[in-house]
Amino acid sequence: DAGITQSPRHKVTETGTPVTLRCHQTENHRYMYWYRQDPGHGLRLIHYSYGVKDTDKGEVSDGYSVSRSKTEDFLLTLESATSSQTSVYFCAISESQGNNYGYTFGSGTRLTVV
Amino acid sequence: KQEVTQIPAALSVPEGENLVLNCSFTDSAIYNLQWFRQDPGKGLTSLLLIQSSQREQTSGRLNASLDKSSGRSTLYIAASQPGDSATYLCAVTSGTYKYIFGTGTRLKVLA
Repeated sequence: DAGITQSPRHKVTETGTPVTLRCHQTENHRYMYWYRQDPGHGLRLIHYSYGVKDTDKGEVSDGYSVSRSKTEDFLLTLESATSSQTSVYFCAISESQGNNYGYTFGSGTRLTVV
Repeated sequence: KQEVTQIPAALSVPEGENLVLNCSFTDSAIYNLQWFRQDPGKGLTSLLLIQSSQREQTSGRLNASLDKSSGRSTLYIAASQPGDSATYLCAVTSGTYKYIFGTGTRLKVLA
């Protein structure tokens, strides 16, 4: 999607290894989010950021950490990957708070933990 | 806790039919509601965003309505085409930066 890029697009990793997913935006939006999408659960928020170095937990944050050292980059780290973290991970951005904002999504990262 | 439900989970219709997808939410204190489309193996594409003060939004063959008091939104698709086949998701936010998503309706339009 224009303005927001996720890398890698696909990754297979072994249980117990650390993994970092990257979300990069060129829109200079303040808010960035990480979601995971699983069958039967829909999209669930992992962590979000409301500015550089400002982050907070979502509903499924256990086992994940995030960092945002620059406006354009939001990193999601799985400290020690487990099979339950096999999922499709989506990054989203939004421009402002208030009732006029909406999300723009990246294309997703498909992560398999074996 | 806000919960979003979409019924039906799946729907098949012949080409050319007008159809309605439903979204309901438990907490009416929302800032806005957004409808998305997701093609298999792809990301989400925003279709329409309805602010809490609005009743509906239109884009081409799509019309989304919002009834906050009853906790419902509908997405109306006119003259459906095979290219409309996708999963449609609705999401609401209560102003805490975070959207809560439904699990989607998987639509198949038969040629």
